[in-house]
Amino acid sequence: DIVMTQSPDSLAVSLGERATINCKSSQSVLYSSNNKHYLAWYQQKPRQPPKLLIYWASTRESGVPDRFSGSGSGTDFTLTISSLQAEDVAVYYCQQYYNIPPTFGQGTKVEIK
Amino acid sequence: EVQLLESGGGLVQPGGSLRLSCAASGFTFSSYAMSWVRQAPGKGLEWVSGIIGSGDRDYYANSVKGRFTISRDNSKNTLHLQMNNLRAEDTAVYSCAKSRVGSVYDVLDIWGQGTMVTVSS
Repeated sequence: DIVMTQSPDSLAVSLGERATINCKSSQSVLYSSNNKHYLAWYQQKPRQPPKLLIYWASTRESGVPDRFSGSGSGTDFTLTISSLQAEDVAVYYCQQYYNIPPTFGQGTKVEIK
Repeated sequence: EVQLLESGGGLVQPGGSLRLSCAASGFTFSSYAMSWVRQAPGKGLEWVSGIIGSGDRDYYANSVKGRFTISRDNSKNTLHLQMNNLRAEDTAVYSCAKSRVGSVYDVLDIWGQGTMVTVSS
């Protein structure tokens, strides 16, 4: 199975400041035939199911605010929240869907400083 | 509105069985792969099983292979998870989720609220 490792486990950011979450996969999730990275990001707020934010490493899901962006390649990826809002307090997960089983990172908890 | 509603969770003894269901609405159910994902209390997300739209191909995590069976009834827009020989470590909230497109090799764009399964004597 592909192991996904996120860092940090938690971070506290002031309102309006940038939050950066990293995700590393144990092997490449780039599918060479279509040149796409099979990497997604989800947001989970307390007592809610996960919400898809980003797929193909950098494609924003419809309706997701543009302060959320994804980047990276190969085995190293980043989710950036450019200006943290109170409603962004949540746990964020990366996921690879290159292989079965799809696997998730352990999650990063984002709080307000 | 696209919706997924799980049912069937509860308290079961180790070694027991449980059948979860997920009722789908608001989309053409048979066109999309579906998955079950679980989350143990206070823990992260673990993909459990997936099935393609036609139901002809299914996939499992190693942790449940041989004990769990996923199935779907496209005539009733319903997804199932039959769980046998349950263990304490299967205790979790089980959510069904829809793939963004038809393949299991894709992201999960719609999730249900989940149903709690507790395995304890």
